[in-house]
Amino acid sequence: DGGITQSPKYLFRKEGQNVTLSCEQNLNHDAMYWYRQDPGQGLRLIYYSQIVNDFQKGDIAEGYSVSREKKESFPLTVTSAQKNPTAFYLCASSMDPGDSNQPQHFGDGTRLSIL
Amino acid sequence: AQSVSQHNHHVILSEAASLELGCNYSYGGTVNLFWYVQYPGQHLQLLLKYFSGDPLVKGIKGFEAEFIKSKFSFNLRKPSVQWSDTAEYFCAVIVDNYGQNFVFGPGTRLSVLP
Repeated sequence: DGGITQSPKYLFRKEGQNVTLSCEQNLNHDAMYWYRQDPGQGLRLIYYSQIVNDFQKGDIAEGYSVSREKKESFPLTVTSAQKNPTAFYLCASSMDPGDSNQPQHFGDGTRLSIL
Repeated sequence: AQSVSQHNHHVILSEAASLELGCNYSYGGTVNLFWYVQYPGQHLQLLLKYFSGDPLVKGIKGFEAEFIKSKFSFNLRKPSVQWSDTAEYFCAVIVDNYGQNFVFGPGTRLSVLP
């Protein structure tokens, strides 16, 4: 079955450490997205990528970095510069970034906690 | 900046009660509107979407939503809820010429009591 796989499901990090969250999709979608979900705030866009080797900052990119070396992969690194990294992170993809009629498909998420 | 608001943080209903979840957005131009649902322990799933045409949109599982342009609203409704509708519901908007960048509302948690 086609879909989006995020790993790990739960992740713990010590303060001051960088950590990378994985997102893989086999839907052949061009665009991929990272959101952060906090209680009472909905989803906020961190980074997005409309095509391989290109990505753009979203609303809350500070303290995060991404890469898009392959169409199917869009890993997110939470750096030590992110002051409040504890959250639920969701990866999404969509078929055609230029077509706003296309819904996004979501992964199951990764819950990151700081020790 | 565009924003999406949802009227209720948590709604509690008994089975068979009618449901209406409010959603308002702040953009005055052309918008595409979505409702997503997140069942406990599952990923976000598309419930329904509106692009153009009939402002009353039918979705899966008996849900519908009505786009009222003059009120900047896209409220979600279901005439009779079931226990299995317990979930978190998110309204989302794509504004014209903003590519695929969704703006999500804060979500409304629905608890249906058996």
